[in-house]
Amino acid sequence: DAGVIQSPRHEVTEMGQEVTLRCKPISGHNSLFWYRQTMMRGLELLIYFNNNVPIDDSGMPEDRFSAKMPNASFSTLKIQPSEPRDSAVYFCASSSRASGGDTQYFGPGTRLTVL
Amino acid sequence: DAKTTQPPSMDCAEGRAANLPCNHSTISGNEYVYWYRQIHSQGPQYIIHGLKNNETNEMASLIITEDRKSSTLILPHATLRDTAVYYCIVNNQGGKLIFGQGTELSVKP
Repeated sequence: DAGVIQSPRHEVTEMGQEVTLRCKPISGHNSLFWYRQTMMRGLELLIYFNNNVPIDDSGMPEDRFSAKMPNASFSTLKIQPSEPRDSAVYFCASSSRASGGDTQYFGPGTRLTVL
Repeated sequence: DAKTTQPPSMDCAEGRAANLPCNHSTISGNEYVYWYRQIHSQGPQYIIHGLKNNETNEMASLIITEDRKSSTLILPHATLRDTAVYYCIVNNQGGKLIFGQGTELSVKP
């Protein structure tokens, strides 16, 4: 299995630009999670989906952030407009209740730098 | 807020057992104890989880006290590649993982 795939692995952009992060979950998994990691705040859950439906977006910092899951094999996290304080590593994870629990498998992350 | 307390750092000699403690005194009856680790610059990696009974897999053993208020993750023969931040998380299977600061384990030659 290829695991969770994220793209791009690194992104450098200028303040005000739109940024789109992409995630392909493990095939057969029905839950998908977006996390953000910074030195100051550690790992934070931003939003998660069950069966492509957003369940909890209370961690989304503000309206500049949006996430979609148009089908079971793809999700995006968009930041528009981006700001320097959005610089962080963004992780996507997926899980399947069928596997006997909510064990989450994480992707390699996207390191975002906003100048 | 994280519901667990872990020491911020620990050292372990290579080849020895690493015992990482976690306090979760407010754990509820339906909450599991999960352990993940994060090696520098990588995504968190699942290690093991349990509810009441002790658990063992190819990576580690999890010992949960009878009152479930604390647990210990045991890496039986630590290697340099086990150097990482280890996170203890309680979760009610509701999907959300709340990560605390974890324990930074340094395995030394």
